[in-house]
Amino acid sequence: NAGVMQNPRHLVRRRGQEARLRCSPMKGHSHVYWYRQLPEEGLKFMVYLQKENIIDESGMPKERFSAEFPKEGPSILRIQQVVRGDSAAYFCASSPPSGDGELFFGEGSRLTVL
Amino acid sequence: SQKIEQNSEALNIQEGKTATLTCNYTNYSPAYLQWYRQDPGRGPVFLLLIRENEKEKRKERLKVTFDTTLKQSLFHITASQPADSATYLCAESPSGNTPLVFGKGTRLSVIA
Repeated sequence: NAGVMQNPRHLVRRRGQEARLRCSPMKGHSHVYWYRQLPEEGLKFMVYLQKENIIDESGMPKERFSAEFPKEGPSILRIQQVVRGDSAAYFCASSPPSGDGELFFGEGSRLTVL
Repeated sequence: SQKIEQNSEALNIQEGKTATLTCNYTNYSPAYLQWYRQDPGRGPVFLLLIRENEKEKRKERLKVTFDTTLKQSLFHITASQPADSATYLCAESPSGNTPLVFGKGTRLSVIA
């Protein structure tokens, strides 16, 4: 049973470009969460999605950031017009439909903005 | 809003000793407290969950306690080994499937 798959693992973008990060949850998991981690900082919640629905996006910046989890295919976190401050590790996690809320994380996508 | 505080940024202990990590929360008592391990460059890995009505939970060399009076959870690793060296994250959730709020973590180094 494959774990949570994230790609790309590393992404370099210049200021003003777009970054797309993909996440395939574990088989059978219908909940996807995106977190951002800055160096020496904790994990910060960004957005929580179920298939075709955004459940909670309270942690996501209102501008330039968007997320989706279509009926078919991976969840995508999209950052438009990236700035240097967007450089971070972005982690995706999934959880099963029922459970105590423990999360299964991917290995992360590390975005570097030049 | 709820804050999760892990008081020690770093903790160094001798191999074979018990490591004790602290997690405090500031407001409401969460339904669950969870502990994760994170190695450099890797994603966090779930270790243990303890519910509000549980005082203690064990798994092999790991033990977690939950004290709602002190608003605190303690995470113990007994007979620590160098392979236990990692960052340990505490996280809370008011209910299942609510986004977890994480502390900044404590970096544990077990010295041989």
